[in-house]
Amino acid sequence: DQQVKQNSPSLSVQEGRISILNCDYTNSMFDYFLWYKKYPAEGPTFLISISSIKDKNEDGRFTVFLNKSAKHLSLHIVPSQPGDSAVYFCAASVGGATNKLIFGTGTLLAVQP
Amino acid sequence: GAGVSQSPSNKVTEKGKDVELRCDPISGHTALYWYRQSLGQGLEFLIYFQGNSAPDKSGLPSDRFSAERTGGSVSTLTIQRTQQEDSAVYLCASSLNRGGANVLTFGAGSRLTVL
Repeated sequence: DQQVKQNSPSLSVQEGRISILNCDYTNSMFDYFLWYKKYPAEGPTFLISISSIKDKNEDGRFTVFLNKSAKHLSLHIVPSQPGDSAVYFCAASVGGATNKLIFGTGTLLAVQP
Repeated sequence: GAGVSQSPSNKVTEKGKDVELRCDPISGHTALYWYRQSLGQGLEFLIYFQGNSAPDKSGLPSDRFSAERTGGSVSTLTIQRTQQEDSAVYLCASSLNRGGANVLTFGAGSRLTVL
C-alpha cells in the first residue's frame, strides 16, 4: 500500500527554468509533508516542509504547495540550477509518538546547463 | 557528533552470513530511525527508537532482522542469515521528535550486497 506516490521517475529541465516535482498521497491524516534531496552515495537532506493546515511554504528558490482536497503537493524550484540535479523524495509524517516519515519513490531531477 | 555516522559504508557478504550495521546519531537526538532503500525503491521504514526503547518495529521485514540501541545513543541493526533480497542501502536517521515537522537527519547509509 503506497501511501505516498511520486509518479514521475525523472524530470529534465533547462538551467534557469522552473522545476516542478509532484507528489500524491492517500492518507488524509498526515499532518506534515517534507521534501528531501539526495545526491548519489549520500544520505537524504531536508529541504522544506509544510504543515497540513497551510497551502504554501516558501524558502528561497524552493516553494511547496499543498492541495488537501486533491491530496497533492508539489515542489517548485525557481530558478533551477545544475547543482539542483539530484533525487527528490516527498515524505509525509504520521504524527503521534512515532512520527515516522513515509517516503515516496523519488524523482530524479536533471538540470541541463 | 556533528552528523549521523554509519558504518560500514559498504558491506559485501555471502548468503547465509550475519551482518551488523552501526549508527551513531547526532548527540542529544532521542529519536532514531532505520530505513532501507532497495534498488529503484523509495525509503522503507524499518524501526523507530525513542531512547533505548523501540515502540515501533512494524517495518522489520522478518524475524531475521533485529535492532538495539544502547545508552540512548548508538544503534546496531543485525540481519541474520542474509538473503539476496536483503541487498539494499540501509539508512539511519535521528531527530529531536518534539512535535511539528519531524525533520530527520540521515547518515550516508550502509550499502549491503548479499552474494
